[in-house]
Amino acid sequence: QKEVEQNSGPLSVPEGAIASLNCTYSDRGSQSFFWYRQYSGKSPELIMSIYSNGDKEDGRFTAQLNKASQYVSLLIRDSQPSDSATYLCAVDSNNAGNMLTFGGGTRLMVKP
Amino acid sequence: SAVISQKPSRDICQRGTSLTIQCQVDSQVTMMFWYRQQPGQSLTLIATANQGSEATYESGFVIDKFPISRPNLTFSTLTVSNMSPEDSSIYLCSVASGGFSGNTIYFGEGSWLTVV
Repeated sequence: QKEVEQNSGPLSVPEGAIASLNCTYSDRGSQSFFWYRQYSGKSPELIMSIYSNGDKEDGRFTAQLNKASQYVSLLIRDSQPSDSATYLCAVDSNNAGNMLTFGGGTRLMVKP
Repeated sequence: SAVISQKPSRDICQRGTSLTIQCQVDSQVTMMFWYRQQPGQSLTLIATANQGSEATYESGFVIDKFPISRPNLTFSTLTVSNMSPEDSSIYLCSVASGGFSGNTIYFGEGSWLTVV
């Protein structure tokens, strides 16, 4: 059973701080890793994808991948109240898009 | 990324009835998927919709309950049959769009079903 684990939260951070969201996965053969943001009442929206070990930055978002530790994280710099949402970690085991396993999501609350 | 449209966006359904959800993509895609998100839960893959052949269902999901059609490379339907309150969920159509490093999954806006 392939598993993706996230702390359900809520993770509460003050506005302007760095929010750190973490995810671990069980399938060592996983190749692609994604972070989705889901606002209440909306469908998931892709924020970041990462495929190689290390950091990948896109604006205020940085994804970090460590395949040896089976760990992927998302950092949100200068957090804004509009970042308040549930963040879903997803792992694709075969890089074909049809073996995507989602974590339970972490609810982030950014307080003004 | 592909633009994915789903209909209906929201519906209230009577117990025992069936509802068909439509998914239209603005470009031809090889792989289309149907996910379910029950209240307060994460996403679970129901099936992969294959063009020209039967859908491939994940463990716990069967064709009699969730029949799927995929008549062409831009369209698919999911039917939720003989609905019960436990079927109250968001049903999401998604597509895999290829990039240099691999495929990424994009989601439609979802169909929010409440069974009463």
